[in-house]
Amino acid sequence: AIQMTQSPSSLSASVGDRVTITCRASQGIRTDLGWYQQKPGKAPKFLIYGASSLHSGVPSRFSGSGSGTDFTLTISSLQPEDFATYYCLQDYSYPRTFGQGTKVEI
Amino acid sequence: DVQLVESGGGLVQPGGSLRLSCAASEFTFSSYWMTWFRQAPGKGLEWVANIKGDGSKKNLVDSVKGRFTISRDNAKNSLYLQMDSLRVEDTAVYFCARDANYYDSRDYYYDAFDMWGQGTMVTVSS
Repeated sequence: AIQMTQSPSSLSASVGDRVTITCRASQGIRTDLGWYQQKPGKAPKFLIYGASSLHSGVPSRFSGSGSGTDFTLTISSLQPEDFATYYCLQDYSYPRTFGQGTKVEI
Repeated sequence: DVQLVESGGGLVQPGGSLRLSCAASEFTFSSYWMTWFRQAPGKGLEWVANIKGDGSKKNLVDSVKGRFTISRDNAKNSLYLQMDSLRVEDTAVYFCARDANYYDSRDYYYDAFDMWGQGTMVTVSS
């Protein structure tokens, strides 16, 4: 199985900050990567597919980049509703695998 | 609204069985792969299994192979997860999700989970 390693596991930030989360795959996965946001007690929310394509309705302050093994999720100006845990997910091969998550907190 | 609603969770002893259901509405259920995920208390997300729209293809994570069975009934717009020989480590919230294809500018498609249920808790404990 492909291992996805996210960093950092948690970070503290303030409203208006630029936040970057990284995700590294144990082997090349082209751009077959998505990002998901999860708030406590809720189901995940789909943000980005294909490493960099924003899902409809997702604010433009979110962006993704990368290919092969290294990927990033950037929030350009953190808003109060963005405090959550973020997960990368590879859809290159089975089993699908997630990063361990990055908790973004105040 | 498009929605998914899971049911069937509960408390079961190790070695026991449970059947989870996921009821879908407001989309053409048979056109989509469907997926089960789980999340152990305080832990991250784990992909568990998926099934093609017509039920002809299935994939499962190794840790549940031989114990869990994924199935669907398109006439009832329902997805199922039959869980047998349950272990303490299967304790988790189980989510069903719609697996949709999203295309980029090169017409390359990606699997993305664009609709999720609220989850159902499964607790395996003696």
